[in-house]
Amino acid sequence: GDSVTQMEGPVTLSEEAFLTINCTYTATGYPSLFWYVQYPGEGLQLLLKATKADDKGSNKGFEATYRKETTSFHLEKGSVQVSDSAVYFCALARNSGNTPLVFGKGTRLSVIA
Amino acid sequence: GAVVSQHPSRVICKSGTSVKIECRSLDFQATTMFWYRQFPKKSLMLMATSNEGSKATYEQGVEKDKFLINHASLTLSTLTVTSAHPEDSSFYICSAAGEGLNIQYFGAGTRLSVL
Repeated sequence: GDSVTQMEGPVTLSEEAFLTINCTYTATGYPSLFWYVQYPGEGLQLLLKATKADDKGSNKGFEATYRKETTSFHLEKGSVQVSDSAVYFCALARNSGNTPLVFGKGTRLSVIA
Repeated sequence: GAVVSQHPSRVICKSGTSVKIECRSLDFQATTMFWYRQFPKKSLMLMATSNEGSKATYEQGVEKDKFLINHASLTLSTLTVTSAHPEDSSFYICSAAGEGLNIQYFGAGTRLSVL
């Protein structure tokens, strides 16, 4: 079945450091790929998404590119801030809307000043 | 973007009682709602999928008599944890999808603590 594997955390970075959180997936066909963020005490918020190969999703300085050849969707940010501290989930869906999401285990990011 | 309201955000109950969690789509019609459960330091696991007006489809290993799901209208789905026990303590989160929407929108989640 479909699955998502993302790097284990926790990840601790200093402010303004470069961030990469690796995510790879297993699925047949061309799923849609997502990154969700969960801030402390809150629910999930969509951070960015990509629906086809070579698409780049971007939001709030975060970027991820849908790589079909490596089945990856790594999350990157050039300069993290303390406010980026959260848990980040990589996820896929077979179709964009009415199908359930398959999530990775989440990566906790802590950014220190 | 679309808004999904989940209530309550936190509930503490005694073992053996039942707890109802509501998930509402505030500005769109949710033809499909999903219920997930998040264990500590683990990912979200799909519990069930509910379509308006029909019975929910439960994932393998999820007790349908334990976790009752009702999706009686296009804006409301409820999850009732019946006869809750400490092992049911978890973070429950719903999401909703509607016609013409290409992503799901999540509620803020409910943290259930069973004493």
